[in-house]
Amino acid sequence: DVKVTQSSRYLVKRTGEKVFLECVQDMDHENMFWYRQDPGLGLRLIYFSYDVKMKEKGDIPEGYSVSREKKERFSLILESASTNQTSMYLCASTRAGAYGYTFGSGTRLTVV
Amino acid sequence: AQSVTQPDIHITVSEGASLELRCNYSYGATPYLFWYVQSPGQGLQLLLKYFSGDTLVQGIKGFEAEFKRSQSSFNLRKPSVHWSDAAEYFCAVGDGGATNKLIFGTGTLLAVQP
Repeated sequence: DVKVTQSSRYLVKRTGEKVFLECVQDMDHENMFWYRQDPGLGLRLIYFSYDVKMKEKGDIPEGYSVSREKKERFSLILESASTNQTSMYLCASTRAGAYGYTFGSGTRLTVV
Repeated sequence: AQSVTQPDIHITVSEGASLELRCNYSYGATPYLFWYVQSPGQGLQLLLKYFSGDTLVQGIKGFEAEFKRSQSSFNLRKPSVHWSDAAEYFCAVGDGGATNKLIFGTGTLLAVQP
């Protein structure tokens, strides 16, 4: 069964910590995405990557960075976590030229 | 810029009743449209999609949606709701670019009464 795996379902971090959220897909997809989901705001795109080592900013990149050293893995990095980054983070992937996203189960991050 | 509006934040229906969730989009050309469902604590699952052709599309779990260009709408329907349909539903539009970004609405939370 093809899937997108996010390493943590729940994460609690302290303000100022550097936080890594990991996402791995086993479908050989070229495109990978990180979204943030907040009540009443839907899903907002943070960053996406269309190839290894390639990345582009989404709608809300401030306070985040990403890394894609291998095709199957796309990491979201919170350089210095803040309480306003408490949220659900969703990773997705798709083939190049396709809109058929496969989503991971999400990581609920709480910054205290 | 493309955008998606889901005017209903929360809807409650009785089990067995029909359901219609509204979605309006803003897009210059023929849009790529999607409906996703998110069960509690889960990621999003694709219900159905519209790219072209027949404006009534069938999806999984008995859902269907109708594309109406004149109304810029892509409403999701189900003739008889089951308790397991309680979830959050997201409408999305493809940005039409080379990187296949999706733009999501704010979601509609569906509650099902017994």
